[in-house]
Amino acid sequence: QVQLQESGPGLVKPSQTLSLTCTVSGGSISSGGYYWSWIRQHPGKGLEWIGYIYYSGSTYYNPSLKSRVTISVDTSKNQFSLKLSSVTAADTAVYYCARVPFYDYVFSYWGQGTLVTVSS
Amino acid sequence: QSALTQPASVSGSPGQSITISCTGTSSDVGGYNYVSWYQQHPGKAPKLMIYDVSNRPSGVSNRFSGSKSGNTASLTISGLQAEDEADYYCSSYTSSSTLLYVFGTGTKVTVL
Repeated sequence: QVQLQESGPGLVKPSQTLSLTCTVSGGSISSGGYYWSWIRQHPGKGLEWIGYIYYSGSTYYNPSLKSRVTISVDTSKNQFSLKLSSVTAADTAVYYCARVPFYDYVFSYWGQGTLVTVSS
Repeated sequence: QSALTQPASVSGSPGQSITISCTGTSSDVGGYNYVSWYQQHPGKAPKLMIYDVSNRPSGVSNRFSGSKSGNTASLTISGLQAEDEADYYCSSYTSSSTLLYVFGTGTKVTVL
């Protein structure tokens, strides 16, 4: 069964870039058939889709975050990554990575999530 | 793009059935059969419970069922159990703007 695990700094200073990595086990990103997605959840709030990437490098982003988001993939490490630039306190959230089947619009597997706090 | 509308809370006694609604528009819930439901316990990641309106992933109890009528999707939990107490979120594909996915506002289920 596929497993996803987020990693990265838990504290980021305002105006800096948030960087997270999702490591996938139990399946190969490069085998295709899935989009690899990032989702966040502000403390005590609902879920917000950030974007996704295909193994080929094709990306699709939430328009509200598009100007600050970059998602990349490293198939040799079976990882994909999120960079969010110019962060503010409003970017404080739990960040999840998830897998989406190519033929559907469902987040079928999720990582455990990692809390990122933006503070000086 | 606004979030899908869910009731803030729903409660029921053990053994009862409850239904959570998820209201959108013809650009999301009403226009496509891509509604999914997620269960989230405190401090945990969301878990997929229902996809494509009414399909259950392997391993999910058949006490959970989904349906849709017009612009409103519903999640029904029958035979309510203490372990069902959690937050529940719906999600849908959306053709409105270029967002692709929209989530619901979330519903806290309390087992009395």
